[in-house]
Amino acid sequence: GESVGLHLPTLSVQEGDNSIINCAYSNSASDYFIWYKQESGKGPQFIIDIRSNMDKRQGQRVTVLLNKTVKHLSLQIAATQPGDSAVYFCATLRRQLTFGSGTQLTVLP
Amino acid sequence: ETGVTQTPRHLVMGMTNKKSLKCEQHLGHNAMYWYKQSAKKPLELMFVYSLEERVENNSVPSRFSPECPNSSHLFLHLHTLQPEDSALYLCASSQGTEPGANVLTFGAGSRLTVL
Repeated sequence: GESVGLHLPTLSVQEGDNSIINCAYSNSASDYFIWYKQESGKGPQFIIDIRSNMDKRQGQRVTVLLNKTVKHLSLQIAATQPGDSAVYFCATLRRQLTFGSGTQLTVLP
Repeated sequence: ETGVTQTPRHLVMGMTNKKSLKCEQHLGHNAMYWYKQSAKKPLELMFVYSLEERVENNSVPSRFSPECPNSSHLFLHLHTLQPEDSALYLCASSQGTEPGANVLTFGAGSRLTVL
């Protein structure tokens, strides 16, 4: 079946450094990819998405990279701030969303 | 109110109780979803409703019974649950269920504890 996995369950970075969260997926037919952020006590919140016909998309302080050859997705956060501390999920979309298990990002002072 | 609102935020129930979770979306979306979030596990899709019709039921035990009276409201009725059903139950909505329209907006979740 379809699966989505994140490479690291936890990631700690110093405030001000860049963060990279990686994700691997199995379904090569996935045509849409999404990153969600979930802060403690809240539901997942949409961050950024990318379609399969793109390999890079930038938002405010975030960049998503898609490598369809190796079925790999990454989220880069520039100048990581304390407010970025959360669990980050990648999800692939074909007919339904398939979620990964999440990476807990901790920003150290 | 904006977005997706879930009540109650926390619920503790015994295995013989009957309770319900409520979800309301104020986004004008046509599709609504129930997800289960357990610790250290990916989000599990439970049910999908599109225009008040159930279009997906992912082998969920019958002790969970969804109800969608209109496109803005979704309920999850709970009956004779097991302790392993303790989890965060997330409601979500989307414009539609077809690719391109099914980006989800989530509620904050209902934290369920079954004793």
